[in-house]
Amino acid sequence: GEDVEQSLFLSVREGDSSVINCTYTDSSSTYLYWYKQEPGAGLQLLTYIFSNMDMKQDQRLTVLLNKKDKHLSLRIADTQTGDSAIYFCAESPHNTDKLIFGTGTRLQVFP
Amino acid sequence: GAGVSQSPSNKVTEKGKDVELRCDPISGHTALYWYRQSLGQGLEFLIYFQGNSAPDKSGLPSDRFSAERTGGSVSTLTIQRTQQEDSAVYLCASTSPGLPETQYFGPGTRLLVL
Repeated sequence: GEDVEQSLFLSVREGDSSVINCTYTDSSSTYLYWYKQEPGAGLQLLTYIFSNMDMKQDQRLTVLLNKKDKHLSLRIADTQTGDSAIYFCAESPHNTDKLIFGTGTRLQVFP
Repeated sequence: GAGVSQSPSNKVTEKGKDVELRCDPISGHTALYWYRQSLGQGLEFLIYFQGNSAPDKSGLPSDRFSAERTGGSVSTLTIQRTQQEDSAVYLCASTSPGLPETQYFGPGTRLLVL
């Protein structure tokens, strides 16, 4: 079945690194995505990773993919208060045109 | 250019009434998606349009929910005889052609059924 799981909450101190984890079920997914949702707003694509990669770095963001364990993580370096939001991972199963989203992880950054 | 827009931004209605939610996708985006986000929940897929046709309606929760898209652009999601459990944020996204599949989301419509 299609199921993407994330922990619900993460709290970190400003300046520390944040690591948000996600497990997915469909090994046929070609791309895996991270979206960010700020309060009162829609979702915004942060980054994505192609399934034949195991790491992607984009400025403060590092995505790690472990295909064997179907585990995806997003690391935010030097976390800032502006990073406080809900982070969703999503998979795109092969031969479907939809994204399957996780439940979202609410990241709270405190000074 | 303009992003995905949705209207109304907020809607309060009484149980049993019908509501219509509107989505204006980004110009040129052929694919359009509707999702529902309930409090504390992830995004629940409702329906997907490719052009004016809906290849996947599997997420519509009941026959009270329907959606249409005209002219390959604007889409409306209609909920008939609303129930309190329909209260949620309804998000629309449109997709640029090609891979990776990048969905651009609107700000959502917050629906409260009293």
